[in-house]
Amino acid sequence: QKEVEQNSGPLSVPEGAIASLNCTYSDRGSQSFFWYRQYSGKSPELIMFIYSNGDKEDGRFTAQLNKASQYVSLLIRDSQPSDSATYLCAVKRGSTLGRLYFGRGTQLTVWP
Amino acid sequence: DTGVSQDPRHKITKRGQNVTFRCDPISEHNRLYWYRQTLGQGPEFLTYFQNEAQLEKSRLLSDRFSAERPKGSFSTLEIQRTEQGDSAMYLCASIPTGGETQYFGPGTRLLVL
Repeated sequence: QKEVEQNSGPLSVPEGAIASLNCTYSDRGSQSFFWYRQYSGKSPELIMFIYSNGDKEDGRFTAQLNKASQYVSLLIRDSQPSDSATYLCAVKRGSTLGRLYFGRGTQLTVWP
Repeated sequence: DTGVSQDPRHKITKRGQNVTFRCDPISEHNRLYWYRQTLGQGPEFLTYFQNEAQLEKSRLLSDRFSAERPKGSFSTLEIQRTEQGDSAMYLCASIPTGGETQYFGPGTRLLVL
């Protein structure tokens, strides 16, 4: 079982719609959860992180964490074509020195 | 520019050659990480430094790989006797003391022919 699993997609949504990206993780001791966006050929850039169960909102982005289900999601409201990228879920386990475990990413396309 | 920088941005080499990459973290970030990313995959952890001490190495880091951070500032990653399977994007990230978020550099894309 992989540490972090994501549906690789591709996920395609129309402009203005809500895009929903999902991630599950295997280690119950995981402490911190991160969403990165990666444009083709570029390095990952942080969108947001979450530590506690529930929702965390930042502009058009909402991260949701359910530790009991070992599930993290990212909602993108009012999706824009510029949101088209690969979204990486990353997890920091409690037993490690800060290394991140990444999923393989979900490719999102927002069409005008 | 106060972000993480990496050099070179691209490297093409022949199999069997040695290559060295450099990472300059954000100033005063004491923690530095190296990752490798192949096409269609997420980044995979290679090694971690806190100041000049290398505290963790992945099993992915074979004997052909070595990393240093001699003065606790910039770091180098060397690959000896490169193989075609080493072709990947090599990413460096840094975190400040007490921080949680890893900030990535632009990466070095390696192609081994």
